[in-house]
Amino acid sequence: EDKVVQSPLSLVVHEGDTVTLNCSYEVTNFRSLLWYKQEKKAPTFLFMLTSSGIEKKSGRLSSILDKKELFSILNITATQTGDSAIYLCAAANNAGNNRKLIWGLGTSLAVNP
Amino acid sequence: GAVVSQHPSRVICKSGTSVKIECRSLDFQATTMFWYRQFPKKSLMLMATSNEGSKATYEQGVEKDKFLINHASLTLSTLTVTSAHPEDSSFYICSARLTSGPYEQYFGPGTRLTVT
Repeated sequence: EDKVVQSPLSLVVHEGDTVTLNCSYEVTNFRSLLWYKQEKKAPTFLFMLTSSGIEKKSGRLSSILDKKELFSILNITATQTGDSAIYLCAAANNAGNNRKLIWGLGTSLAVNP
Repeated sequence: GAVVSQHPSRVICKSGTSVKIECRSLDFQATTMFWYRQFPKKSLMLMATSNEGSKATYEQGVEKDKFLINHASLTLSTLTVTSAHPEDSSFYICSARLTSGPYEQYFGPGTRLTVT
């Protein structure tokens, strides 16, 4: 059965800290790994990773995929209170028109001032 | 780009009534839309995959006669919760995938359903 596991489930840090969120996956016909940020409403797209070892970066956020060890990390440097959210990781399978995302449970990040 | 809207954002209905939720892709065509349900502090639970012009594919355990999905055009999918019960109260989120695009899904803002 396909699954995505995120750790830690929750994290509390102080502003300015650097955090690393983990996502491991076991997915048949794996295609891509996606990261989303969810605040009060629906998730917003952050990154999609398809190739191993190539870091994607957006401001203070960066992510990388390891297809050999089947995991990805999401780094946030110099955290701010606005980074407080649930970070969701999802793996996409390569099933043509039936491709869908398999979701992790998320990491709840709280950044305190 | 890739904006998805959902309507209504919040609805309260009485037990036994039906509620329709609309999901629209505003600036792109979406062959496929997804309907999710999310419980408090839980992850997204995929309910069904909706393909334009064909029947939706429901995930195991999701009652297709209770959660009616219609995807009549490339920009609109609807979810109707029929004969709603209090246990159907939840946050329902739709997402859409670009017709010609890869795998990322763009989410609507969600609909908070409360059944009294």
